[in-house]
Amino acid sequence: NAGVTQTPKFRVLKTGQSMTLLCAQDMNHEYMYWYRQDPGMGLRLIHYSVGEGTTAKGEVPDGYNVSRLKKQNFLLGLESAAPSQTSVYFCASSYGAGSRLKSSYNEQFFGPGTRLTVL
Amino acid sequence: AQSVTQLGSHVSVSEGALVLLRCNYSSSVPPYLFWYVQYPNQGLQLLLKYTSAATLVKGINGFEAEFKKSETSFHLTKPSAHMSDAAEYFCAALTGANNLFFGTGTRLTVIP
Repeated sequence: NAGVTQTPKFRVLKTGQSMTLLCAQDMNHEYMYWYRQDPGMGLRLIHYSVGEGTTAKGEVPDGYNVSRLKKQNFLLGLESAAPSQTSVYFCASSYGAGSRLKSSYNEQFFGPGTRLTVL
Repeated sequence: AQSVTQLGSHVSVSEGALVLLRCNYSSSVPPYLFWYVQYPNQGLQLLLKYTSAATLVKGINGFEAEFKKSETSFHLTKPSAHMSDAAEYFCAALTGANNLFFGTGTRLTVIP
């Protein structure tokens, strides 16, 4: 099992350019998430998906779009990149929201991250 | 709403000394709480989690955390620090939508 993989690992964009980050998981997880990590701010949720074909906004969704066309993939798009979007982006996945008896469903597994710089 | 606060953005300990990383939560109901570790240039790895089964939770690499409702705390400890423990540690709480709310992180430095 590769777990959660992210493509690319590094990217440099100019302001106004667009790009798509790809997240893939091979654990048959229902839920997938995109976070951004900035110094001194921890991880903040951008968007998430509770299943194929569904997406929802997280804490900081502005400037990003997502798609979940296949269960194993979750794409994060930047239509017009801005320097404020310079960050490290992490994808995660989990089985879902389980009951207290199935607490393992809540555990999120993280990818290695994508370091994005917007000039 | 769930939230967590980590006290101390940087903690330094000597090798072999006790590690104590602090996390307080704010919640009106017993939460699911997690500690994650991030080694340099890597993703996050789960250390341990509290799901109300037991107040003292043991995790990987000798870490443990105790849930104290009276103090709304979930501090992470390890009796003896090792050089390999140097990393950033994040406390997180689970929200109703199965989303994690992360603290701002504590960077642990281990001094030889």
